[in-house]
Amino acid sequence: AQTVTQSQPEMSVQEAETVTLSCTYDTSESDYYLFWYKQPPSRQMILVIRQEAYKQQNATENRFSVNFQKAAKSFSLKISDSQLGDAAMYFCACDSGNTPLVFGKGTRLSVIA
Amino acid sequence: NAGVMQNPRHLVRRRGQEARLRCSPMKGHSHVYWYRQLPEEGLKFMVYLQKENIIDESGMPKERFSAEFPKEGPSILRIQQVVRGDSAAYFCASSLRRVNEQFFGPGTRLTVL
Repeated sequence: AQTVTQSQPEMSVQEAETVTLSCTYDTSESDYYLFWYKQPPSRQMILVIRQEAYKQQNATENRFSVNFQKAAKSFSLKISDSQLGDAAMYFCACDSGNTPLVFGKGTRLSVIA
Repeated sequence: NAGVMQNPRHLVRRRGQEARLRCSPMKGHSHVYWYRQLPEEGLKFMVYLQKENIIDESGMPKERFSAEFPKEGPSILRIQQVVRGDSAAYFCASSLRRVNEQFFGPGTRLTVL
C-alpha cells in the first residue's frame, strides 16, 4: 500500500523568511508522481508543484522548490521569501497510476508578519 | 476555460435523507475522482471514474454510497440514508489522463443534522 507521511502538523515562518515542509512516502511502484497541494481557508485545493520520479532534477516554481531524495523516499517543499498569502494547509501526495492518489495529513503553515 | 465545478457548495441534510453531489470536470477531461475530507484530515480517495465506467471504487463504502459519470452530464456522488458521520467536505477532481495533474473543484460541504 502507498503511504504518505507529513511529520509536522504545524509550522510557522516569519514573513520574507524561508521554510521547509517535510514529507516522506512509501510506494512499491517504480514510476510515480509526487505533488504538493495548498489548501487555504477557502478550502480550494491548489497545486503548488509536481515532481516526476524519473526526473533527477528538483522541480521549482518561482518561490517554491522541492528537495526530492528518491532513495530516501523524501519529498520536502521549500518556500522562499514567505508571504502572508502562503498561510494555508499544505498536503503532500503520491500518485503511481496503479493506486489512487494518496495524501498526507497535512501541515498547517502560519506566516508571521 | 472553466475549472472543475461542484454544486452545491453547501448541503444540509437530515439523517435518513439522500445527498446528491454534482461535479462537472474541466473541459476535455474524462477522468474524475471523488475524495472526502474530514475536519483536520487530508483528503481520502473514494472513487475514480472514466466516462460511464467506474475504474476504482476501493475507497468508497460498499453501502449507501454510489457514483456515476454518464456520457452526458456531470458526475454524481450519491449518498443514501445519510448519517452524521457522513458530514465532511467532498471534493471532485478531474484530469486529462490517468497519472496526471488533478484539478480540484471547490468542494461540497455536507452537513448532516
